[in-house]
Formats: sequence, structure tokens, C-alpha cells
Amino acid sequence: SQELEQSPQSLIVQEGKNLTINCTSSKTLYGLYWYKQKYGEGLIFLMMLQKGGEEKSHEKITAKLDEKKQQSSLHVTASQPSHAGIYLCGAAHGSSNTGKLIFGQGTTLQVKP
Amino acid sequence: EADIYQTPRYLVIGTGKKITLECSQTMGHDKMYWYQQDPGMELHLIHYSYGVNSTEKGDLSSESTVSRIRTEHFPLTLESARPSHTSQYLCASSELGSGNTEAFFGQGTRLTVV
Repeated sequence: SQELEQSPQSLIVQEGKNLTINCTSSKTLYGLYWYKQKYGEGLIFLMMLQKGGEEKSHEKITAKLDEKKQQSSLHVTASQPSHAGIYLCGAAHGSSNTGKLIFGQGTTLQVKP
Repeated sequence: EADIYQTPRYLVIGTGKKITLECSQTMGHDKMYWYQQDPGMELHLIHYSYGVNSTEKGDLSSESTVSRIRTEHFPLTLESARPSHTSQYLCASSELGSGNTEAFFGQGTRLTVV
């Protein structure tokens, strides 16, 4: 059964526009990871969130974890063609350091110049 | 930048052949993982290891096997490849410590069995 839902599944934006990708879990999240993947390649680690209400930023990408620790959002400010790719959220559902992640189905982002 | 390497990047092989996908990391991580990703689908954990001589099956059943004889090396083997094994295989590693830590991924091996 799908435990992590990402929305939208795909997104096309004009360069310079802001966008938000959401990741919702049916269970409490003990660690929420955001990765970026170019088609057919490996995953590039973006950010990890663990505490309710936590927010982290890296360049023009900001990720937040809600207070209840069941939803995270990834926000891209002033999108660039370099932001294009597949964004994946991964979740650790255990409080111990198992490191085993469950992934959402991904959000494919295209940025039009 | 993560120091985790997978070889080969691409592999096309005939049905019935034995294959080994290599994964090595130079970060000294105790934990290593293999994920399988079909096109357009989410990643699923197929194997993991918490250290030398420790291997466990993941959430998704797989006919592949793994070994962990050295900390830095976590190869995946298919004894007899079939077209249903066609997929992308991603290796990852993370530190062993309190709480959850980042998992770093290799570039993946795209396997096609004809």
C-alpha cells in the first residue's frame, strides 16, 4: 500500500516562477528526506527533516515538515532550468536509526526557459 | 559529494546469465542498501546490511542475493537473469548512529535482460 503520497505527479512551470511539491504520509514521520533525480541516474540528497515544524533551505529550495510530522513541502523560489528533474520524498517511519526508507512516487518538474 | 560508486552504469545481458552489480563506498559507512526502481515507479528496498556479514531482505521480494564481506563493498548477484529483472538498481549507504542520518546514493545500474 502506498504510504507516501506526492503531489503533483508532474509540474511544468515557466522559468522564474515559484513552485511547491507536497509529500504526505499516512504514518508519523521520524525522518523525511528530499532527493532530486535526473532521469536514469542516482539520487542527489537535498535535505533531511526530523523535527515537527522544522524548516531547512539550500540555495533556492526550502523544505518544511509540519508540526504533526505527517506532511512535508518543498518550495522552489524563482525556478531555473537547472531545477528540472524528479523530486522524491523518502521517509523513515522508525525513531531508531534503521535508515530504511520508503519513497513516494516522485514529482517530475520541467522548467520552461 | 557522496563517494559511492556503482558499476556498471548500464548492462544489457541475455536471459539465464549470472550477473553481479558492484557497489562500493569510501565513506566508512556501516549501513548499505539496494533499491530497485522500475521506470516511472517509486524506489523499493530489496536488501540492506548493517555491517560486515550482516544482510537482510527488504520490503520488496527479490530473487537477487547480496553479500557484505567488507565494509566498503556490497555487491548484488542474480544467478540467472530474466527479463522481469529489467530495472534500475540503486545502491545507498548511511552512517550508523543515533537517530536517522542521510542516505547517499550511487548513480545506479540500469539493467536490461533480453
